[in-house]
Amino acid sequence: EVLLVETGGGLIQPRGSLRLSCAASGFTVRNNYMTWVRQAPGKGLEWVSTKRDDGSTYYADTVRGRFTISRDNARNTVSLQMNSLRAEDSAVYYCARGTTVDGHAFDFWGQGTLVTVSS
Amino acid sequence: QSVLTQPSSASGTPGQRVTISCSGSRSNIGSNAVNWYRQLPGRAPELLISSNNQRPSGVPDRFSGSKSDTSASLAISGLQSEDEADYFCATWDDSLSGYVFGTGTKVTVL
Repeated sequence: EVLLVETGGGLIQPRGSLRLSCAASGFTVRNNYMTWVRQAPGKGLEWVSTKRDDGSTYYADTVRGRFTISRDNARNTVSLQMNSLRAEDSAVYYCARGTTVDGHAFDFWGQGTLVTVSS
Repeated sequence: QSVLTQPSSASGTPGQRVTISCSGSRSNIGSNAVNWYRQLPGRAPELLISSNNQRPSGVPDRFSGSKSDTSASLAISGLQSEDEADYFCATWDDSLSGYVFGTGTKVTVL
């Protein structure tokens, strides 16, 4: 059974840093696109970052230079290091798996972890 | 502000057919496959349609997707109360080198 579990969210002050982790089970993360998507309270979905199976990484303009996506093949996890956090980064962050046919079709999602950036 | 535009709301009575549009441009819908997601209140999104018109295993055939030029549509036939949710289209954008979601459509079953 495929399962994604995000951890690491919480309350953080502006300009602070936070690291989110996504523990995967039931498949191997290095074989799929792995993506972070966020959703601010009452708002729509926003793509944040993707790490492809070939190791390449992509970021939304709103987070490029501040966020870093990484993969730990040994632990079968994907992480999102978030630096220089801003109030507008406050959101539920979801980890999602891309299908092997279309890496950007996310067939499994985690339950999400809430990040609140506030002083 | 998203590059994919959806109507903010749609509604229908049980049994009716509801269609949700998703308007984009050559660099996104015009060049890449469209996926649709449903998000029930308080839940994570779920994949409803992939590659424009493919239903993942377990998705009822009441849901169908289509794409033409720079627009895509999701149709829900035989509307049920459990279909009340937010629906999002999404695709890759070649100009942005990023994935984009639509603005989202809230479906209400009257």
